[in-house]
Amino acid sequence: KQEVTQIPAALSVPEGENLVLNCSFTDSAIYNLQWFRQDPGKGLTSLLLIQSSQREQTSGRLNASLDKSSGRSTLYIAASQPGDSATYLCAAIKAAGNKLTFGGGTRVLVKP
Amino acid sequence: DAGITQSPRHKVTETGTPVTLRCHQTENHRYMYWYRQDPGHGLRLIHYSYGVKDTDKGEVSDGYSVSRSKTEDFLLTLESATSSQTSVYFCATMNTLGQGYTPSMNTEAFFGQGTRLTVV
Repeated sequence: KQEVTQIPAALSVPEGENLVLNCSFTDSAIYNLQWFRQDPGKGLTSLLLIQSSQREQTSGRLNASLDKSSGRSTLYIAASQPGDSATYLCAAIKAAGNKLTFGGGTRVLVKP
Repeated sequence: DAGITQSPRHKVTETGTPVTLRCHQTENHRYMYWYRQDPGHGLRLIHYSYGVKDTDKGEVSDGYSVSRSKTEDFLLTLESATSSQTSVYFCATMNTLGQGYTPSMNTEAFFGQGTRLTVV
């Protein structure tokens, strides 16, 4: 059974500092890995999709890496802003059944 | 956005009553999912569908049933609501290669805005 873990569960940083969010998964037979953002009381917004053959994916200030052999993905957010305050979730997509397994999320607070 | 609409967005119901939540998508994605999100438990899969009339259980399916009579609609029913089913429910879809069963390099999930259900 796939298990996905996100550490830390919460993170508070001053504005301008770079953010590093970690995601680990137990089953390396994933198809893709997806990072989401969730604001309080809202749905999930997809940030980045990393295909299993890729090692990283970038979008603006966001960069996500994937190391299937070690079962890890890392989301980097450069030069954090207060608007980056949200919960960030990673999810592994397994080919069998095309199901996502989510980590518990990292709640981020960027202080002005 | 994948054009996913959940209805209702908020509902309060009494214990023991049946409740149906609706998910409607406009992207013709084959796969659809129902998740619940609870503090301390994260997002957990309730049921999913891999085609019209094709459904399967997730990890927390007890007390829930689903139906999919059309590609665009996926219904979640709580046969007799209990307080433990108070939660936020999310619908999701997933694109696959040629809208078939096989994931593609671009396979990713898209989520609706959620339904907040309170059972009193």
